[in-house]
Amino acid sequence: SAVISQKPSRDICQRGTSLTIQCQVDSQVTMMFWYRQQPGQSLTLIATANQGSEATYESGFVIDKFPISRPNLTFSTLTVSNMSPEDSSIYLCSTSSMSNYGYTFGSGTRLTVV
Amino acid sequence: AQKVTQAQTEISVVEKEDVTLDCVYETRDTTYYLFWYKQPPSGELVFLIRRNSFDEQNEISGRYSWNFQKSTSSFNFTITASQVVDSAVYFCALILRNKLIFGTGTLLAVQP
Repeated sequence: SAVISQKPSRDICQRGTSLTIQCQVDSQVTMMFWYRQQPGQSLTLIATANQGSEATYESGFVIDKFPISRPNLTFSTLTVSNMSPEDSSIYLCSTSSMSNYGYTFGSGTRLTVV
Repeated sequence: AQKVTQAQTEISVVEKEDVTLDCVYETRDTTYYLFWYKQPPSGELVFLIRRNSFDEQNEISGRYSWNFQKSTSSFNFTITASQVVDSAVYFCALILRNKLIFGTGTLLAVQP
């Protein structure tokens, strides 16, 4: 299955600033996904990153707050913009593996906004 | 509605006990996939199993076993002879148009 390298693994940021999270996959994949996991909560899908087109956002998430890039089939970034303490969460990227139809996740970015 | 329900928020067991984590799902699709993931305290998500809706055969992998019953829309996960290293949050998930829909998770604490 695909292996995803995600960075940074954690960061502490000042409110009002932005953080860009990167995910690199070791093989070409069609779809990449970005999830948010708020403290003690389940995972919620933010958006699907499509290569060559704009990301598709889920209800409650907007491009101005969470811009996503997908320049090629192995890489994607998620930016958390104009951060507030409510954005403190774990952010995870994911992709599907055609070999076993399991969805592989990056190791996550633990973000704290102060 | 398509959703996954994990009614057990937290479970605490003593090492070597067997424990079953419940998962109930709702979907309008006739073909679907269900998953279990483990999230240890370090935060990464570890893929455990995928099950498709056409295969109701139960599966065993070492100390892990899964019981899939379409009649009750359940996909329960049993850990036999639990160990401290099994302590984690376990998520059940359902595929919806290539996107994973997660349950709220069950925190399993295995005491030595």
